[in-house]
Amino acid sequence: AQSVTQLGSHVSVSEGALVLLRCNYSSSVPPYLFWYVQYPNQGLQLLLKYTTGATLVKGINGFEAEFKKSETSFHLTKPSAHMSDAAEYFCAVRTYTGTASKLTFGTGTRLQVTL
Amino acid sequence: DSGVTQTPKHLITATGQRVTLRCSPRSGDLSVYWYQQSLDQGLQFLIQYYNGEERAKGNILERFSAQQFPDLHSELNLSSLELGDSALYFCASSVYRGREDTQYFGPGTRLTVL
Repeated sequence: AQSVTQLGSHVSVSEGALVLLRCNYSSSVPPYLFWYVQYPNQGLQLLLKYTTGATLVKGINGFEAEFKKSETSFHLTKPSAHMSDAAEYFCAVRTYTGTASKLTFGTGTRLQVTL
Repeated sequence: DSGVTQTPKHLITATGQRVTLRCSPRSGDLSVYWYQQSLDQGLQFLIQYYNGEERAKGNILERFSAQQFPDLHSELNLSSLELGDSALYFCASSVYRGREDTQYFGPGTRLTVL
């Protein structure tokens, strides 16, 4: 079964500092990986995804993630944090067979941005 | 705005009751997914429908059922509600392009069981 592990349930950074949110996956087949963000009292918004091709994936709001097969990782980064980045971030892996599909999520990382 | 709509936004009910959550997918999307988000279980996949037919099932309780109608909207029915069913229920939809498929999420329905 495919799974993802997010290291660190809470991460705090200063405004302007580097953001690094960690995600490791377990998969017996080439994984399809996603990062979603959830702002308070809102739904999940897609940040970026990796399916095939380029291993460095750029998303919205200045975020990017790098797929590293050798490390089974898909860490999310942003060079300079902004107060508006405070939210919960979820890494997910997609499993599919034919038209059956589902996402398996990590436990989430809450990002706090301080002045 | 993802284009996925869910109603109602909030729902407060009592134990033992039955409720129905509704989801309208993005225009053109054939696949609908339901997820539950709770403090103790995190985000859990419940069930998927594709063009009216059930395609995948997760950890969905027998008290819960879902369906997708010909106009592609979906309903999640929760019955004999328990305190532990209090959670945020998300619907997602996708057009389903095989490997390149991406799910887009609605704003959720917050269910409170008293």
